[in-house]
Amino acid sequence: DADVTQTPRNRITKTGKRIMLECSQTKGHDRMYWYRQDPGLGLRLIYYSFDVKDINKGEISDGYSVSRQAQAKFSLSLESAIPNQTALYFCATSDTLAGTGDNEQFFGPGTRLTVL
Amino acid sequence: DQQVKQNSPSLSVQEGRISILNCDYTNSMFDYFLWYKKYPAEGPTFLISISSIKDKNEDGRFTVFLNKSAKHLSLHIVPSQPGDSAVYFCAASDSGTASKLTFGTGTRLQVTL
Repeated sequence: DADVTQTPRNRITKTGKRIMLECSQTKGHDRMYWYRQDPGLGLRLIYYSFDVKDINKGEISDGYSVSRQAQAKFSLSLESAIPNQTALYFCATSDTLAGTGDNEQFFGPGTRLTVL
Repeated sequence: DQQVKQNSPSLSVQEGRISILNCDYTNSMFDYFLWYKKYPAEGPTFLISISSIKDKNEDGRFTVFLNKSAKHLSLHIVPSQPGDSAVYFCAASDSGTASKLTFGTGTRLQVTL
């Protein structure tokens, strides 16, 4: 079974609709992240959470919100979807730093979102 | 402002030869660097990393070199295999921002027979 799962894998929605993307992990990691990938732009950080009570904005948080329902679950919401939010969305997890500087993150398979 | 740059969008290499993927960064606070590999329809997977206290790290066919003065790192794959065909992302972080990774735009590597 995959350690980081995302649902749905594909979604087509219309402008103005509210949509939620869900992420679950079985790795026992404290830290979770949401990224979007656009052609030619790499992965950009939307939001990140270091524990259940800690939520932080990333570089492109406008138009998005998140909820950390439990250590293992981190959801991304688009309150009113717009076409330029069409992208590939990835959830990732990492363990609390042990002072080694090891920042390896583990990614889910992605959700392809299309906003018409 | 792109703090991590991969200036080559694509690279084609023959099987058995060396693949060299390059990455430049502008933020002097970055002190940890990672390479991720991504196949279509999958999430990125960690490949290899290097701390700024080192200038080289090897793992099997993969070696990452770091030149701090030039703010440049490179990933060498020797020998290249068809299964290495994927998109490779360079990423960087600094201890002060703990765990936040800044990614490059990716280089698509194609290893031909």
